[in-house]
Amino acid sequence: GAGVSQSPSNKVTEKGKDVELRCDPISGHTALYWYRQSLGQGLEFLIYFQGNSAPDKSGLPSDRFSAERTGGSVSTLTIQRTQQEDSAVYLCASSPTRVSSTDTQYFGPGTRLTVL
Amino acid sequence: GDSVTQMEGPVTLSEEAFLTINCTYTATGYPSLFWYVQYPGEGLQLLLKATKADDKGSNKGFEATYRKETTSFHLEKGSVQVSDSAVYFCAQSNSGNTPLVFGKGTRLSVIA
Repeated sequence: GAGVSQSPSNKVTEKGKDVELRCDPISGHTALYWYRQSLGQGLEFLIYFQGNSAPDKSGLPSDRFSAERTGGSVSTLTIQRTQQEDSAVYLCASSPTRVSSTDTQYFGPGTRLTVL
Repeated sequence: GDSVTQMEGPVTLSEEAFLTINCTYTATGYPSLFWYVQYPGEGLQLLLKATKADDKGSNKGFEATYRKETTSFHLEKGSVQVSDSAVYFCAQSNSGNTPLVFGKGTRLSVIA
């Protein structure tokens, strides 16, 4: 079946502009995660959605970052007033359920964001 | 807090050489442990996992054993191939409601 998809694959923007990154999880997966992969920082957790529960936003680096998940499926990560340090690859992952810690997370191909 | 430490790369090996990538973790509970791989130009893929002490995860000739006494999950392969060239990430998940905590990644280059 289809895996996790993300769009756009690449995004170049100017400093100060807002950007929206989209994630389509695997159908039926209730958990959705956003991570950021940047040079020197490795892979960092940003935000996590589980079903209808309030999201875990503990990894968001600033209030310029926000995310929503509509209808328990598609998620959008929004970065307002982008800064050059926001340049990174943004990865989305989904997993079937989070009743245990053994669930495998399936990753999308990522969106490479470049802030000029 | 929970963390994962893995050996820094890059690691360069000749084809058919033995591979070890060290990984240790700190956790407040009993995490599940994972190795993910990122091939050039591709997304992260799960390579193998282990969910409790002494479990051995294996896939594609790679193995890793969950060692609670040494809090380690070292990745090994007996004979690497050029196609194994990739970045390898060790990760843990400590409970049912926490995201993955990753190591910084180890880049492996295998030369013919």
